Amino acid sequence: AQSVSQHNHHVILSEAASLELGCNYSYGGTVNLFWYVQYPGQHLQLLLKYFSGDPLVKGIKGFEAEFIKSKFSFNLRKPSVQWSDTAEYFCAVKGYGQNFVFGPGTRLSVLP
Amino acid sequence: NAGVTQTPKFQVLKTGQSMTLQCAQDMNHEYMSWYRQDPGMGLRLIHYSVGAGITDQGEVPNGYNVSRSTTEDFPLRLLSAAPSQTSVYFCASRPGTGGYGYTFGSGTRLTVV
Repeated sequence: AQSVSQHNHHVILSEAASLELGCNYSYGGTVNLFWYVQYPGQHLQLLLKYFSGDPLVKGIKGFEAEFIKSKFSFNLRKPSVQWSDTAEYFCAVKGYGQNFVFGPGTRLSVLP
Repeated sequence: NAGVTQTPKFQVLKTGQSMTLQCAQDMNHEYMSWYRQDPGMGLRLIHYSVGAGITDQGEVPNGYNVSRSTTEDFPLRLLSAAPSQTSVYFCASRPGTGGYGYTFGSGTRLTVV
């Protein structure tokens, strides 16, 4: 069965700091990988996805993620965070013929 | 373009009551799913559907029922509400092919007292 782990439960950064959120998954086959963001009181919105091809994926709002197949990882990065990036971030994996599985989420707090 | 519409946004139920959470999408997506979100547990799949007339159980189906009579609608029924069903419920839809992610509704916050 698929599973997704996210390294950090809560990350606190100051504005302009760099961000990296870890995501690892367990599934041996072909996968689609996703990062979603949930701003306070709102629903989940897609930040970026990996389907195939270039393992470095660029998403909205300056976020990017790198798929490293050998490490079963799909870490999310942003060079310089803003206060408005305060939100919860969810990694998700979908194996071929499988349902989506979401990680437990990482809460990001950006201090002004 | 409304996307995925969920109603109601908030609901308080007494233990043992039943209710239906409504979900509708206008994107002609084949796949629809219901998730519940609880603190520290991410999203857990309750039920899903791969098309009209086809539904299946997810990770936490007990106490919930679904049907999919049309492509657009995918209601979730709580048969006899329990305090353990206090949660935020999200409906989501996606195309059947193409590696697309889910589009989520705005959620229903349910409290069972």
